Amino acid sequence: AQSVTQLDSQVPVFEEAPVELRCNYSSSVSVYLFWYVQYPNQGLQLLLKYLSGSTLVKGINGFEAEFNKSQTSFHLRKPSVHISDTAEYFCAVSHILTGGGNKLTFGTGTQLKVEL
Amino acid sequence: KAGVTQTPRYLIKTRGQQVTLSCSPISGHRSVSWYQQTPGQGLQFLFEYFSETQRNKGNFPGRFSGRQFSNSRSEMNVSTLELGDSALYLCASSLKQNNSPLHFGNGTRLTVT
Repeated sequence: AQSVTQLDSQVPVFEEAPVELRCNYSSSVSVYLFWYVQYPNQGLQLLLKYLSGSTLVKGINGFEAEFNKSQTSFHLRKPSVHISDTAEYFCAVSHILTGGGNKLTFGTGTQLKVEL
Repeated sequence: KAGVTQTPRYLIKTRGQQVTLSCSPISGHRSVSWYQQTPGQGLQFLFEYFSETQRNKGNFPGRFSGRQFSNSRSEMNVSTLELGDSALYLCASSLKQNNSPLHFGNGTRLTVT
């Protein structure tokens, strides 16, 4: 079975400071990993994805993530956050289903709060 | 290109009633998935449809059902509503079957009183 662990439920950070949101996964097969962001009263927006290839993945809004197979991690980073980055961030692993198609298993989310 | 559209955005129902939620995927996307989001359980997979067929189902009771139409639009239905069904229901569409990123709508907020 696949699972995703986001150890930090909340991460406060000052504006223009760097941030890292941690994600660890468990999977017995090849993994495809995603980070999504959710702003209040909205759905999930895809930040970035790792399917294969380079382990450093760049996404939207200046975010990037590094896939580390040996540590089973996929941490999200941004060198300088802005107040508008305040949102909840979800890490997810894709699981290919026997009937075809795939489903996402999500972590419990990390609330990023950027302060002035 | 328009994103995933879910209607209605908000819904208030009483225990025992039933409800139908609607989802229009991104044009050209044939796979539609549904997720339930609650503070206690987080994001959980409900089911996934492709070409009008339910291919996969999550661990939810039979009160939760859905369908997909020939134009890829999808509906989900919840019968005999319970208080615990209060949640944000998210629909997502993707271009093809495996590992294409899911694109989510803004969800339908269901409140059961």
